Amino acid sequence: EPEVTQTPSHQVTQMGQEVILRCVPISNHLYFYWYRQILGQKVEFLVSFYNNEISEKSEIFDDQFSVERPDGSNFTLKIRSTKLEDSAMYFCASSDWSTDTFGSGTRLTVV
Amino acid sequence: SQKIEQNSEALNIQEGKTATLTCNYTNYSPAYLQWYRQDPGRGPVFLLLIRENEKEKRKERLKVTFDTTLKQSLFHITASQPADSATYLCALVRNNDMRFGAGTRLTVKP
Repeated sequence: EPEVTQTPSHQVTQMGQEVILRCVPISNHLYFYWYRQILGQKVEFLVSFYNNEISEKSEIFDDQFSVERPDGSNFTLKIRSTKLEDSAMYFCASSDWSTDTFGSGTRLTVV
Repeated sequence: SQKIEQNSEALNIQEGKTATLTCNYTNYSPAYLQWYRQDPGRGPVFLLLIRENEKEKRKERLKVTFDTTLKQSLFHITASQPADSATYLCALVRNNDMRFGAGTRLTVKP
């Protein structure tokens, strides 16, 4: 069964550093998403991406965040200057409009 | 502001019984609603999608209803099994924006 792949599975970074989280969506999907889940809390929508541009973003997705689809297969989330409160699981998802498939997530720890 | 509420944080039932989970929402008009299963440390796994013009969807032991007047979806698992124990999330979608409820942690006891 097709999968969404996320790397790395764990990332520890110093506060103020930039991080890039990587995702390989399912190949024939056209819609891509990033979510985060702070430990013990609900899954929160960050951003959706379609046709090489952001289609929706939440209030969480401020100027510190950016997304890119640098080639035909990867989808990345960059956090420019990480804060302690950015520590969370970050999930990538892709969709063919009827089914959303999530990756296993990247656990980001900011110290 | 938008609010999505799932009936309870935790639900415990006996194996073989039907589990019923509730998702209520306010100040939102979703085009469709999805239910997901999430196990600890893992990403959500898609279970069912129901559109605003649909009343009911079924898949094996799962059934979802969607009442846009009541602004409520019910999620049923019939003949529940211990392997069904997990957190179940409802998610409301409009355009490309998906908003999740906090989830209900279901425990099915043998």
